[in-house]
Amino acid sequence: QVQLQESGPGLVKPSQTLSLTCTVSGGSISSGSYYWTWIRQPAGKGLEWIGRIYTSGSTNYNPSLKSRSTISVDTSKNQFSLKLTSVTAADTAIYYCARSSGWLDSWGQGTLVTVSS
Amino acid sequence: DIQMTQSPSTLSASVGDRVTITCRASQSISSWLAWYQQKPGKAPKLLIYKASTLESGVPSRFSGSGSGTEFTLTISSLQPDDFTSYYCQHYNSYSYTFGQGTKLEI
Repeated sequence: QVQLQESGPGLVKPSQTLSLTCTVSGGSISSGSYYWTWIRQPAGKGLEWIGRIYTSGSTNYNPSLKSRSTISVDTSKNQFSLKLTSVTAADTAIYYCARSSGWLDSWGQGTLVTVSS
Repeated sequence: DIQMTQSPSTLSASVGDRVTITCRASQSISSWLAWYQQKPGKAPKLLIYKASTLESGVPSRFSGSGSGTEFTLTISSLQPDDFTSYYCQHYNSYSYTFGQGTKLEI
């Protein structure tokens, strides 16, 4: 059974870049026809899709975040990553990574990122 | 962009009740819809995909139906563990969109 685990700084200063990594275990990130996905959830609010990457490297992003988001994959480390630039307090949220076939069938536990000086 | 409107935002019910949550798409999405359950402090859990296919291990009291623009998640007999939040999600070849969520409370 595949497992995902997010990692990265829990505190980021305004205007800086948020960087998170998702490590996949229990299976190869290159196997199967999956998209590797980032989702976020501000406290007490709903889910927001950030973007996804296929193991070929092709990406899709939420139009509202596209200009600030970059998702990449490192198949040698079985990891994929998110970079979100020019963050503000509005980017404070729990960030989840997930595996997707369209539907999201495996999720990480989530990591809280707070944007504050 | 396709918008997903989920209703109600809050639903009060009792153990043993049959409840339905609705998700409407701003245009036809065929059957490209999933439903999730999220408990406080936890990641969402997949319940249903392709509008009506039950994920392995999910109790049979959960069911999904619909196609096109209107979809429903039905819980046939509420159990204490079911009082939490639910989200629908549309997926296509280039994007995902979530509904706003429904909180099911006693």
